[in-house]
Amino acid sequence: NAGVTQTPKFRILKIGQSMTLQCTQDMNHNYMYWYRQDPGMGLKLIYYSVGAGITDKGEVPNGYNVSRSTTEDFPLRLELAAPSQTSVYFCASSSLQVRDYGYTFGSGTRLTVV
Amino acid sequence: KNEVEQSPQNLTAQEGEFITINCSYSVGISALHWLQQHPGGGIVSLFMLSSGKKKHGRLIATINIQEKHSSLHITASHPRDSAVYICAVSNTGNQFYFGTGTSLTVIP
Repeated sequence: NAGVTQTPKFRILKIGQSMTLQCTQDMNHNYMYWYRQDPGMGLKLIYYSVGAGITDKGEVPNGYNVSRSTTEDFPLRLELAAPSQTSVYFCASSSLQVRDYGYTFGSGTRLTVV
Repeated sequence: KNEVEQSPQNLTAQEGEFITINCSYSVGISALHWLQQHPGGGIVSLFMLSSGKKKHGRLIATINIQEKHSSLHITASHPRDSAVYICAVSNTGNQFYFGTGTSLTVIP
């Protein structure tokens, strides 16, 4: 089925460990986004990409890195995990501009850092 | 103060009731979005609008640009409508702001 696929769905990390959250979309969307959602808070944009080879910081980029080597893939890298990064992470994609086509979201990755 | 404010935070309704969720924003926007997040966590985009009104099934979204306000209406509500409804705005600079959501429970 077409859509945005995120892996893993759940993960527990120890402080200082690193990991990569994977995100793949098969809709040939130009725009891709990573958000985090903390309890009781709205979604916060971490990084976004307007196309392969182009990435930019969002509202809360510290502690994360991204790459966009292909249109389909937009992995999010956590280096030196910290408890403050415990959150639910959502990847999303859209065609051209969000205002024209809206979002498609992945199912989320629930990350706990202990 | 958040750029996007939603009300109410929580809403309980009887099946069949007409429901309204409100969203106010304080920034210039190019589009406003209504999202639905189910208890399992998945997020679905319901509407994206920059003016007027859109309808999809029992859902209606309206926006008043001058007043910086949007409403999401659900007619003939059903327990399967129970979810968190999130209002979000985006601007031409690719900045995005999200409300904290309205948790809706529809009781049979």
